[in-house]
Amino acid sequence: QQQVKQSPQSLIVQKGGISIINCAYENTAFDYFPWYQQFPGKGPALLIAIRPDVSEKKEGRFTISFNKSAKQFSLHIMDSQPGDSATYFCAPSINFNKFYFGSGTKLNVKP
Amino acid sequence: DAGITQSPRHKVTETGTPVTLRCHQTENHRYMYWYRQDPGHGLRLIHYSYGVKDTDKGEVSDGYSVSRSKTEDFLLTLESATSSQTSVYFCAISDRGQGTEEQYFGPGTRLTVT
Repeated sequence: QQQVKQSPQSLIVQKGGISIINCAYENTAFDYFPWYQQFPGKGPALLIAIRPDVSEKKEGRFTISFNKSAKQFSLHIMDSQPGDSATYFCAPSINFNKFYFGSGTKLNVKP
Repeated sequence: DAGITQSPRHKVTETGTPVTLRCHQTENHRYMYWYRQDPGHGLRLIHYSYGVKDTDKGEVSDGYSVSRSKTEDFLLTLESATSSQTSVYFCAISDRGQGTEEQYFGPGTRLTVT
């Protein structure tokens, strides 16, 4: 049972460009929508998260857009930098108990 | 890695042998989780704990058991390892309700079952 579908699987962006990663979910009970960033050989780390009572949240160059009716949320990385090259995961949860990770998006930002 | 250690960091074992992975935290967080990470699957929750001796199953719990006798330690046991359990295992901790909803992940254990 795949609760979360993440796209694209991989993404190549030029330095300074915008990276957009999407996450579609099935379970309407999800109430917490985080994005995690993972570098090779490391564990994931929380990047940014949103609750369903707001449609957008911005932290520096990172923005989450949330569309409750479409059951989708996305991560936008503005002015992408080579240091942003990593794998990104959406991981919605219910009442912060079980987290359901997407399959990941490998981002490569070209200098 | 937020005061989380995992041991061992790498292990090669044979099919049919029992294996125990250890997660140790120094943050006194209430919640602890075990995930496995495989290419194309992201991270999948195996088991989690919401307190000492309180555990629950995740989405891929078959073939795994856990124990938590102290706040700081969460053990994952593969009763009889199979090749399908070759993976990278991550432990995570959180302290939701205490001002943060973040999960902090350990460095991972790479397990190979031959």
